[in-house]
Amino acid sequence: NAGVMQNPRHLVRRRGQEARLRCSPMKGHSHVYWYRQLPEEGLKFMVYLQKENIIDESGMPKERFSAEFPKEGPSILRIQQVVRGDSAAYFCASSPARAANYGYTFGSGTRLTVV
Amino acid sequence: GESVGLHLPTLSVQEGDNSIINCAYSNSASDYFIWYKQESGKGPQFIIDIRSNMDKRQGQRVTVLLNKTVKHLSLQIAATQPGDSAVYFCAEANDMRFGAGTRLTVKP
Repeated sequence: NAGVMQNPRHLVRRRGQEARLRCSPMKGHSHVYWYRQLPEEGLKFMVYLQKENIIDESGMPKERFSAEFPKEGPSILRIQQVVRGDSAAYFCASSPARAANYGYTFGSGTRLTVV
Repeated sequence: GESVGLHLPTLSVQEGDNSIINCAYSNSASDYFIWYKQESGKGPQFIIDIRSNMDKRQGQRVTVLLNKTVKHLSLQIAATQPGDSAVYFCAEANDMRFGAGTRLTVKP
């Protein structure tokens, strides 16, 4: 039973390009959470999605960032016109229902480097 | 702001000693807490959880204590090993937010 799969593991983008990060939740999990982690810092909540719905995006920057979790396929975190400050590790977690009852399982992350 | 915070950013212990990592939370309605371990370059891994109807829960070499009166959690690691070196996070599952974490370094 595969865990939470994130790809790519490493992504390099030039300033101004777009970054697309993918997250496939564990089988049977319909809730997805995205977090950003800067070096030597904690996990910062970005967005919580269920299939086809954004439930909580209070942690998402207002501009350039968007997330989706379509009916079919992985969840996508999209960063448009990347800047150096977007360089970070982005982690996805999933749960079978709201994490309040089940907790989260994390993927291995995507390390984004903006040059 | 963050609902879960850590008292100490770093902790250094001798191999074989016991480690205690602390965590405070602010929401008295919080009812499910989880500890995660994050090794360098990896994603957080579940260690142990506890619900608010319990004061203590034990796993293999780890124990979590919950004090609801003062809204405090601790993670105890017995006979700490070099492989325990990592950053440890506590999370209040309802809130989806994590504290800054404590970096545990085990000295041989």
